[in-house]
Amino acid sequence: ETGVTQTPRHLVMGMTNKKSLKCEQHLGHNAMYWYKQSAKKPLELMFVYNFKEQTENNSVPSRFSPECPNSSHLFLHLHTLQPEDSALYLCASNGGGRGTGELFFGEGSRLTVL
Amino acid sequence: GQNIDQPTEMTATEGAIVQINCTYQTSGFNGLFWYQQHAGEAPTFLSYNVLDGLEEKGRFSSFLSRSKGYSYLLLKELQMKDSASYLCAVRDQYGNKLVFGAGTILRVKS
Repeated sequence: ETGVTQTPRHLVMGMTNKKSLKCEQHLGHNAMYWYKQSAKKPLELMFVYNFKEQTENNSVPSRFSPECPNSSHLFLHLHTLQPEDSALYLCASNGGGRGTGELFFGEGSRLTVL
Repeated sequence: GQNIDQPTEMTATEGAIVQINCTYQTSGFNGLFWYQQHAGEAPTFLSYNVLDGLEEKGRFSSFLSRSKGYSYLLLKELQMKDSASYLCAVRDQYGNKLVFGAGTILRVKS
């Protein structure tokens, strides 16, 4: 039990499909993040939300659309993706004034685009 | 810009000591983190340094030199379960973002 839950764990989609990734945190944090992890590359920050407001969009293509309805939930809506978008998508959270501010990660959603 | 370098892979023997280095050049600095990530699992927090010096936590220690832009993670009494990827990350001066290195894959052999 990591405190940050992501669904689905695995997703295969065609380039014309529309799907969504979901993240939920039960840690009382006020910041949530989407990271992309590709093989042999650094974790790549995509989006940051603080208190439901987007504070960072790291030049992510518009085919990725985030949504943060409240401080506990974060979505990543996917449409017309490309094969190079295949990767592990990690959600993380932190904040609330506790600890060192380290990120708490979910297990990730492994995405394959055909 | 942001640049974080760490070796791609390392191999060590069970029971031995291994040091994983990380160098960084970033536009701001507000702490350095080490994470462990086993294959197919979430990264988990190992250590945090914001001041120069050594932080020890059981078999794991982390060192920071801010003037040199350098950190290392020291793993003692290696166990097979320590085989994983080790990620170095620097937090920006605003405290919002962590920038990660590509990770070091550590293989522990018997």
